[in-house]
Amino acid sequence: GQNIDQPTEMTATEGAIVQINCTYQTSGFNGLFWYQQHAGEAPTFLSYNVLDGLEEKGRFSSFLSRSKGYSYLLLKELQMKDSASYLCAVMDSNYQLIWGAGTKLIIKP
Amino acid sequence: EADIYQTPRYLVIGTGKKITLECSQTMGHDKMYWYQQDPGMELHLIHYSYGVNSTEKGDLSSESTVSRIRTEHFPLTLESARPSHTSQYLCASSERENNEQFFGPGTRLTVL
Repeated sequence: GQNIDQPTEMTATEGAIVQINCTYQTSGFNGLFWYQQHAGEAPTFLSYNVLDGLEEKGRFSSFLSRSKGYSYLLLKELQMKDSASYLCAVMDSNYQLIWGAGTKLIIKP
Repeated sequence: EADIYQTPRYLVIGTGKKITLECSQTMGHDKMYWYQQDPGMELHLIHYSYGVNSTEKGDLSSESTVSRIRTEHFPLTLESARPSHTSQYLCASSERENNEQFFGPGTRLTVL
């Protein structure tokens, strides 16, 4: 079956750095997405990786290793507004997104 | 900013009622999707469409139907609502050649 694993919850301090990991097993691979979802709101797009390596976008970076079935989202200079759930999703061979349950990130002052 | 709209935002309804959740997008996207999401859980694909008159079932589609008569409109219908349908329903769209999905604000449905 298809499976996306990510930690259920993480806690970090304002101003610090946090890394959220995602491992996946899917039928085919056509890219990996990270989305941010604040409580009660819709997901918003953060990043897309289809090739191995690191993609940097401001305070957020995303890394992919296809051979290991592994990705991480790195958030730097954490702000209180970064408190949200972070969803990892993989596009399979049918171009459908398989979603992880999300990692709830709690930022403390 | 994504222009994708869902109505109603909140709906409380009794068991056995027929309901239609509306979704419209003004971006001209070919692809549209319906997801169901329970709190703290992953999104589950209910239905999707790759264009007008094209609809496909996802993982949780057996109790609902969709139509795609116009590019911008993708309504979801539950013929007979049950308490197990209580959830958040998210509509999304994407361009034909770009896999990034833009989400609407969601409809929170409660079936009593």
